[in-house]
Amino acid sequence: EVQLVESGGGLVQPGRSLKLSCAASGFTFSNYYMAWVRQAPKKGLEWVATISTSGSRTYYPDSVKGRFTISRDNAKSSLYLQMNSLKSEDTATYYCARGASYWGQGVMVTVSS
Amino acid sequence: DVVLTQTPPTLSATIGQSVSISCRSSQSLLHSNGNTYLNWLLQRPGQPPQLLIYLVSRLESGVPNRFSGSGSGTDFTLKISGVEAEDLGVYYCVQSTHAPFTFGSGTKLEIK
Repeated sequence: EVQLVESGGGLVQPGRSLKLSCAASGFTFSNYYMAWVRQAPKKGLEWVATISTSGSRTYYPDSVKGRFTISRDNAKSSLYLQMNSLKSEDTATYYCARGASYWGQGVMVTVSS
Repeated sequence: DVVLTQTPPTLSATIGQSVSISCRSSQSLLHSNGNTYLNWLLQRPGQPPQLLIYLVSRLESGVPNRFSGSGSGTDFTLKISGVEAEDLGVYYCVQSTHAPFTFGSGTKLEIK
């Protein structure tokens, strides 16, 4: 069974940093593109970052490019999202996703002073 | 980026009624490898999204067969044949043929 468990969320002040982690199990992690997707309160789903199987290629929307960094450790079956220069509009539940198919339970990130 | 236009934005159905949701893409979702990477997700209130349908029409394990997907190219449809109370929530189409993967804006299904 595919399991994705996020951690690292919380309340952070604008301009500060936060790092999310995702522990994967139930599948061969290194074989899959992985992604982070977020959902602001009462809003739809927004793709945040994607990383290739080896980690050599990463993709970001303009809204987070230059501020967020996705990375992975295939030996640990773990995915990460380093979020810098956080803004109030980054407030959302962040989901770790295996492609566009499987999702973790999500972790809340609140950016507020 | 590929834009997915989902309609209707809201749907109100009685138990047992059949409903359909449309998802139209701004470009073909047929991949060069012959697959079409169009999935349907359901997000129940307070829950993360869950996969219902993948590759346009393949039912995810454990999903009731009242759910079905169809379509090709740029036009896709999710059908629920006989809505049940547990089906309420927001339905999303999502494509991963073209990077980055993108979502439809969602269809909220309400039970009358």
